[in-house]
Amino acid sequence: AQSVTQPDIHITVSEGASLELRCNYSYGATPYLFWYVQSPGQGLQLLLKYFSGDTLVQGIKGFEAEFKRSQSSFNLRKPSVHWSDAAEYFCAVQGDNAGNNRKLIWGLGTSLAVNP
Amino acid sequence: NAGVMQNPRHLVRRRGQEARLRCSPMKGHSHVYWYRQLPEEGLKFMVYLQKENIIDESGMPKERFSAEFPKEGPSILRIQQVVRGDSAAYFCASSPGQGAVSNTEAFFGQGTRLTVV
Repeated sequence: AQSVTQPDIHITVSEGASLELRCNYSYGATPYLFWYVQSPGQGLQLLLKYFSGDTLVQGIKGFEAEFKRSQSSFNLRKPSVHWSDAAEYFCAVQGDNAGNNRKLIWGLGTSLAVNP
Repeated sequence: NAGVMQNPRHLVRRRGQEARLRCSPMKGHSHVYWYRQLPEEGLKFMVYLQKENIIDESGMPKERFSAEFPKEGPSILRIQQVVRGDSAAYFCASSPGQGAVSNTEAFFGQGTRLTVV
């Protein structure tokens, strides 16, 4: 069965420091992978996605992620964190690439706190 | 082009009442997905609908929950006889009917936060 693991429940970094959020997936076929961000009480904003091609994908707000098939990972990175990046981050895999079903299987999220 | 619209944004219901959550997909989208986000838990897929059809309801609780997406109008997620455990954020997403699943994603609404008192 498909699954997504985000090993870090909570991470705290200092403003200006680099960031890496981990995501591991379990999926039998070529995965379609996503990172979303959610601020408190808000909706879900897509940061970036991987469907195929270049394994290093660029997203909004200066985020990037690298797909590594050998490690079943899709880690999110940012070279310099801003205080406004404090939020909950979710990794997801598209659960069924047959037909037209785009349902997502989600990790439990990583809560990011940023120290001034 | 308006995004996915969900209403209400916040909904308070007493135990035993019915909750009706509405989702208007993006223009041109004919597929809708519902997800639930329980406190301290991640997001869980509930149901996938196309116009007038339920395609995948593998995540729907067996009782009290139902969803529809009529030919005209928004998709509705209905929860009958709500209990405190139904308190959660409910998100809707939509996707186009055409286009390869390998290069188009679903777009999310802002969610409805249901509180059962």
